[in-house]
Amino acid sequence: KQEVTQIPAALSVPEGENLVLNCSFTDSAIYNLQWFRQDPGKGLTSLLLIQSSQREQTSGRLNASLDKSSGRSTLYIAASQPGDSATYLCAVSYTGGFKTIFGAGTRLFVKA
Amino acid sequence: DVKVTQSSRYLVKRTGEKVFLECVQDMDHENMFWYRQDPGLGLRLIYFSYDVKMKEKGDIPEGYSVSREKKERFSLILESASTNQTSMYLCASSSLWPGQGGTDTQYFGPGTRLTVL
Repeated sequence: KQEVTQIPAALSVPEGENLVLNCSFTDSAIYNLQWFRQDPGKGLTSLLLIQSSQREQTSGRLNASLDKSSGRSTLYIAASQPGDSATYLCAVSYTGGFKTIFGAGTRLFVKA
Repeated sequence: DVKVTQSSRYLVKRTGEKVFLECVQDMDHENMFWYRQDPGLGLRLIYFSYDVKMKEKGDIPEGYSVSREKKERFSLILESASTNQTSMYLCASSSLWPGQGGTDTQYFGPGTRLTVL
């Protein structure tokens, strides 16, 4: 069964800290992997998309890495800010199908 | 900017009512999706449509139906609402799905929080 797991479920850090969010997936034959951000009561916003042939993607203070062989991805957030407080979801798409499998998310709280 | 809009942000209905949730996208995307999101369970796919009048069942289609008469509009229908359908419903659209090749960023609407009493 294709599953996506995110650890930790929740994280609280002081402002300015660098942090890493983890995502693992059971089936390594992925097509791509995305990280999304979700603010309370809102929809999802795509942050980074990594194709299966890529190892990482960067956008501003965010860096996402992909290791297909171990079934893992990490989202690195540098110099965290209170505005980064949100839930971060990892989602994996597979070749030959239309489904995207989502993790349950990591709720991040950055304290000022 | 891609825009996906949903007809209601909050909705309260009674058990047994027929409920319509509407989603509209303005990017001429072929693919549209309906998900529900529940605490601890992540997003689960209800239905998917890859073209007008075409649909595919997702993981949890029971109790739901969909309609896509125009490319930009995808409706989710709860034939007879039940309390276990209380949830956040999210609509998304994309230009490609994984089997077609290329990137597949999904764009999400703001969500509809449905409460069934």
